[in-house]
Amino acid sequence: NAGVTQTPKFQVLKTGQSMTLQCAQDMNHNSMYWYRQDPGMGLRLIYYSASEGTTDKGEVPNGYNVSRLNKREFSLRLESAAPSQTSVYFCASSLRGIGTSTRELFFGEGSRLTVL
Amino acid sequence: AQTVTQSQPEMSVQEAETVTLSCTYDTSENNYYLFWYKQPPSRQMILVIRQEAYKQQNATENRFSVNFQKAAKSFSLKISDSQLGDTAMYFCALPGGGADGLTFGKGTHLIIQP
Repeated sequence: NAGVTQTPKFQVLKTGQSMTLQCAQDMNHNSMYWYRQDPGMGLRLIYYSASEGTTDKGEVPNGYNVSRLNKREFSLRLESAAPSQTSVYFCASSLRGIGTSTRELFFGEGSRLTVL
Repeated sequence: AQTVTQSQPEMSVQEAETVTLSCTYDTSENNYYLFWYKQPPSRQMILVIRQEAYKQQNATENRFSVNFQKAAKSFSLKISDSQLGDTAMYFCALPGGGADGLTFGKGTHLIIQP
């Protein structure tokens, strides 16, 4: 039971480089999310996707783009990485809909990104 | 907008003691869920306990229980007979942020001393 899988687990980038964080879930969830975690800041929502084909900005979207490739996959792209994007990134998913309003999020293991 | 406040950045207790982590929140919703997540050094986010706001009975999961005060918008987590494996960051969360995502507090770092 894989749940939510994100890759890579660790990445070091130089300022200005680009990269994509991949996320996939096998729980048939319709909603997916990207959060970033910084010390003393908790988890902050970057982007989310309520369903296949839709994406929306969260609290801290600047410098990021996302793609909901299909129901399973939701990727996060940094086009030109900056040191301020050094963080731990979490992908999460949930099942939304009538009768399923518990809103529990299931998380991947996180990706630690360092931008030099 | 929903807000979640955890006023204790760090706490330290001895093994086997009972500890309570505090959380206050603000929401305009009337029917909602509240969550406590645990993040051990492995970084994995683990759901500890969930409370349904329309239920008056406080949720309990083994050594973990909550004190939910809806009128005061308070949702504290009590850990009984604390164990070394309880050392972790603990996050309080409630629905918010779009597409039924969650808004998180800034976390409490709990250290269980041997």
